[in-house]
Amino acid sequence: GEDVEQSLFLSVREGDSSVINCTYTDSSSTYLYWYKQEPGAGLQLLTYIFSNMDMKQDQRLTVLLNKKDKHLSLRIADTQTGDSAIYFCAETGRSNDYKLSFGAGTTVTVRA
Amino acid sequence: GAGVSQTPSNKVTEKGKYVELRCDPISGHTALYWYRQSLGQGPEFLIYFQGTGAADDSGLPNDRFFAVRPEGSVSTLKIQRTERGDSAVYLCASSLGTSGGPDYTQYFGPGTRLTVL
Repeated sequence: GEDVEQSLFLSVREGDSSVINCTYTDSSSTYLYWYKQEPGAGLQLLTYIFSNMDMKQDQRLTVLLNKKDKHLSLRIADTQTGDSAIYFCAETGRSNDYKLSFGAGTTVTVRA
Repeated sequence: GAGVSQTPSNKVTEKGKYVELRCDPISGHTALYWYRQSLGQGPEFLIYFQGTGAADDSGLPNDRFFAVRPEGSVSTLKIQRTERGDSAVYLCASSLGTSGGPDYTQYFGPGTRLTVL
């Protein structure tokens, strides 16, 4: 079955880059997603990557995918205080590509 | 509407009571999903609707949980004989369709926080 692992906490200084890591086990994953959750709010889609891609850049966000190692990362350039949130990695499998499997989330704290 | 809405935002109930949680998806979205998020965890899939029918309810934990979407728009998640372990945030999402990728991104509502005393 699917299993997604993330480190639980990350502290970063304002203006530095943040790197959030994720590993997954389902080799048939078709799409991998990063969602952001702020306190009391729902999940906001940040970006996604298709499994045949290695990298995707979207403004301050860069997603790297190492399919061989089943490793996904999200880099946030020039981290701001508004980036403080919980970040979730999620995957969909080929057999049921509507069902998102989430990691436990990485809490990112941005300090001045 | 502009986004997925869920009501109520908070629900406190007593053990053994019945509760209903409502989800209004984005207009025009045919697919609707329910997830449950326990404290400190990521969301877990409960059920998925394509139109009016439940295409996959494999995530429902037991037969106390049931969901409907009678007209293919609004959905209600129903929990009978609530237990303390049902306490969680219940998230609803909708998408245009049911395949991964940009046209079928799942958009989430703010959730309903259920507390069972």
